[in-house]
Amino acid sequence: GAGVSQTPSNKVTEKGKYVELRCDPISGHTALYWYRQSLGQGPEFLIYFQGTGAADDSGLPNDRFFAVRPEGSVSTLKIQRTERGDSAVYLCASSSDGLAGGNYNEQFFGPGTRLTVL
Amino acid sequence: GQNIDQPTEMTATEGAIVQINCTYQTSGFNGLFWYQQHAGEAPTFLSYNVLDGLEEKGRFSSFLSRSKGYSYLLLKELQMKDSASYLCAVRDKGKAAGNKLTFGGGTRVLVKP
Repeated sequence: GAGVSQTPSNKVTEKGKYVELRCDPISGHTALYWYRQSLGQGPEFLIYFQGTGAADDSGLPNDRFFAVRPEGSVSTLKIQRTERGDSAVYLCASSSDGLAGGNYNEQFFGPGTRLTVL
Repeated sequence: GQNIDQPTEMTATEGAIVQINCTYQTSGFNGLFWYQQHAGEAPTFLSYNVLDGLEEKGRFSSFLSRSKGYSYLLLKELQMKDSASYLCAVRDKGKAAGNKLTFGGGTRVLVKP
């Protein structure tokens, strides 16, 4: 696609439910990042994939959060037993590896999924 | 870890210049980034500095001093559409860090007519 896409754009759920957030990166981008952004704050790193593997998951707040990228393209962020504190905008970004002429330094962000846990 | 500080909010007049400062304390450093984020939208890349000095790109310039842990973003000839949040971010050093960014809280710039 032309840019990073994320679905759904908005998700309202009840406390204790399970949610999945999807990210479709720019075609050919090997690196994919998930961030979480609360109102009035900067994005907070969650996890980074290089290809299919999670290269750094140090930002995941606890074991209720999990992310996969089975074919090295689309990624899904999964949140179990949601809590009200999980309410935020979840941003996905992708970047090239720079080998094919892309700018490795630039991360392209998707529009985000606004998650509200009631 | 990384600690990044930037002012919460700034106000400026259309046509003027605004300088947004960012200071950082890091365990590793491999570049400083500035992103622009309009309300309700995704951040968009503005600039990248890894060496000391000034990088100019049109109306926007970014400066870095690694020894001082300091950067600024300079916005010239301000336009109403420049009203947005400006995010300072630092990249960790090391291959495993990849392109992982640690962001500051953002500076909300309000441009008045």
